[in-house]
Amino acid sequence: EVQLVESGGGLVQPGGSLRLSCAASGFTFSNYAMGWVRQAPGKGLEWVSTITVDGGTYYADSVKGRFTISRDNSKNTLYVQMSSLRAEDTAVYYCAKSLLNHGWFDPWGQGTLVTVSS
Amino acid sequence: ILMTQSPATLSVSPGKRATLSCRASQGVNYNLAWYQQKPGQAPRLLIYGASTRATGIPASFSGSGSGTEFTLTISSLQSEDFAVYYCQQYYIGHTFGQGTKLEI
Repeated sequence: EVQLVESGGGLVQPGGSLRLSCAASGFTFSNYAMGWVRQAPGKGLEWVSTITVDGGTYYADSVKGRFTISRDNSKNTLYVQMSSLRAEDTAVYYCAKSLLNHGWFDPWGQGTLVTVSS
Repeated sequence: ILMTQSPATLSVSPGKRATLSCRASQGVNYNLAWYQQKPGQAPRLLIYGASTRATGIPASFSGSGSGTEFTLTISSLQSEDFAVYYCQQYYIGHTFGQGTKLEI
């Protein structure tokens, strides 16, 4: 069974940094692109970033230059390093598996909440 | 690419058919997925490639369309189908629609 488990969320002050992790199991992690999608409280879904099988990275304009996605295939783990955080980055962050480098997401983890507030 | 879903809220009785729409601001070919999200849960993939059901998704769910106009149809609504539905294009980058809430 494919499982994705996010961790690392919490309360952070504006301008601060946080690193989220996503532990993957049940599939050959290195063979798949992975992505982060976020959902602000009561709002819709917003794609954040994708990392391809060969390590190519893509970002939404709203996080470009502030977030860095990475993967450790030896640990079956996806990361996103978030810096210069703003109130508008407050959201549940989901990691998700993608069959294609730029495709649909399936499945999704349960999410981790990031709150940016003073 | 901007994705627009309609209506924002759809009220349908159990056992009836529901039709949800998604429009892209420019053509996305067949690069369109649909997701279902229930309160407090992560989204679940229903449809990809505009019309291919994901593993384990019942045949009551069907997707159609190409280019800029897409439809998700639920043929006979069950209680567990009442949720929020999102479309997503993956032709250029990724963009989600704002969602349609399907309520009883």
